[in-house]
Amino acid sequence: GAGVSQSPSNKVTEKGKDVELRCDPISGHTALYWYRQRLGQGLEFLIYFQGNSAPDKSGLPSDRFSAERTGESVSTLTIQRTQQEDSAVYLCASSLVPQVTPNTEAFFGQGTRLTVV
Amino acid sequence: AQKVTQAQTEISVVEKEDVTLDCVYETRDTTYYLFWYKQPPSGELVFLIRRNSFDEQNEISGRYSWNFQKSTSSFNFTITASQVVDSAVYFCALSRPGTGFQKLVFGTGTRLLVSP
Repeated sequence: GAGVSQSPSNKVTEKGKDVELRCDPISGHTALYWYRQRLGQGLEFLIYFQGNSAPDKSGLPSDRFSAERTGESVSTLTIQRTQQEDSAVYLCASSLVPQVTPNTEAFFGQGTRLTVV
Repeated sequence: AQKVTQAQTEISVVEKEDVTLDCVYETRDTTYYLFWYKQPPSGELVFLIRRNSFDEQNEISGRYSWNFQKSTSSFNFTITASQVVDSAVYFCALSRPGTGFQKLVFGTGTRLLVSP
């Protein structure tokens, strides 16, 4: 696609339920990133995929959070047994290559706004 | 450790006013990149500028200008003659060259409201 696509755009769920968020990166982008943006806060890194390498999960806040990506395609972020503190906007980004250089850029989706009630 | 501070939580201006968004950063690296992103109400982050720490020249792009001062560890962003379409949250971010985008350190953002 032309840009990074995320679905759903909004999700309201009850505390304790599982949710699955989807990210469709730009075609050909090897690197994919998930970030969390809490109200009034900057972006927090969650997880990073690069090609077929093992993902960097160092930002996942708890074992209730997991993510998958098949090859260089779609990624899903799953939050199990949701809690109210999980309420946030979850942003996905992709880049052609993973490194920050003068000529590379990460492109962001519009995010999924998750509200846990 | 790296840190980015955007002390202004929200700024309100009237159209055509000039406005400056402040960004102060902390890093022990001698080489680094600084970024500004715009997050309009639609939600996605839009890249505005990347600045290498070796290049202290100020940059102007249309109504946008950036003032990078290593002496004060600041990378401020000025919008001249603001427009309603400039209303958004603006994020400043910091990175080490060659590292991944997952290592970007973001400030907490400044919400800019431009009223007609």
